[in-house]
Amino acid sequence: LAKTTQPISMDSYEGQEVNITCSHNNIATNDYITWYQQFPSQGPRFIIQGYKTKVTNEVASLFIPADRKSSTLSLPRVSLSDTAVYYCLVGDRGNTPLVFGKGTRLSVIA
Amino acid sequence: EPEVTQTPSHQVTQMGQEVILRCVPISNHLYFYWYRQILGQKVEFLVSFYNNEISEKSEIFDDQFSVERPDGSNFTLKIRSTKLEDSAMYFCASGTSKETQYFGPGTRLLVL
Repeated sequence: LAKTTQPISMDSYEGQEVNITCSHNNIATNDYITWYQQFPSQGPRFIIQGYKTKVTNEVASLFIPADRKSSTLSLPRVSLSDTAVYYCLVGDRGNTPLVFGKGTRLSVIA
Repeated sequence: EPEVTQTPSHQVTQMGQEVILRCVPISNHLYFYWYRQILGQKVEFLVSFYNNEISEKSEIFDDQFSVERPDGSNFTLKIRSTKLEDSAMYFCASGTSKETQYFGPGTRLLVL
């Protein structure tokens, strides 16, 4: 399984764009990159998944450079309710269970 | 929007007792999972279940644990002879495929 590295914590003011970068130098050809969000005392929630280039949905965008050794989750105009832990996961979609790291604790300040 | 539900939301038990944690996955999902999260620590995979049998399990999922799908809707995790270190949030998840999993709200288990 590709190991991921992401910042332990980040702070942001409301209304700003937040970019959380995850490093995964040993990503394999079959691996996808998936981001989950977890609020306190709740289960993780799927945000977005991608393989290469850019993926966008109603919640976030995911940018993946050509070498795929890193990825950036972009949250546009964050609000207080976006305060959560964000996890970057890398794995083969078909075979491996989800392996969560420590994630990035995002604190949004008014 | 369909959701994974879990009962009970909280469970307090004495060490050595058996507990059964219940989950109702989203109805058309085929893959079912249990995870746990000890307070302040990472979410840890326990077991995955597909086609009425365990497809993968972690080292944590030893003989103390078992899973069942007793009917068409429920998915249960049984913990026999609970230990203090079993205290954690237990999350059930389900999905139509392995890549996207929908988590329930969790059961907070406290072993005294």
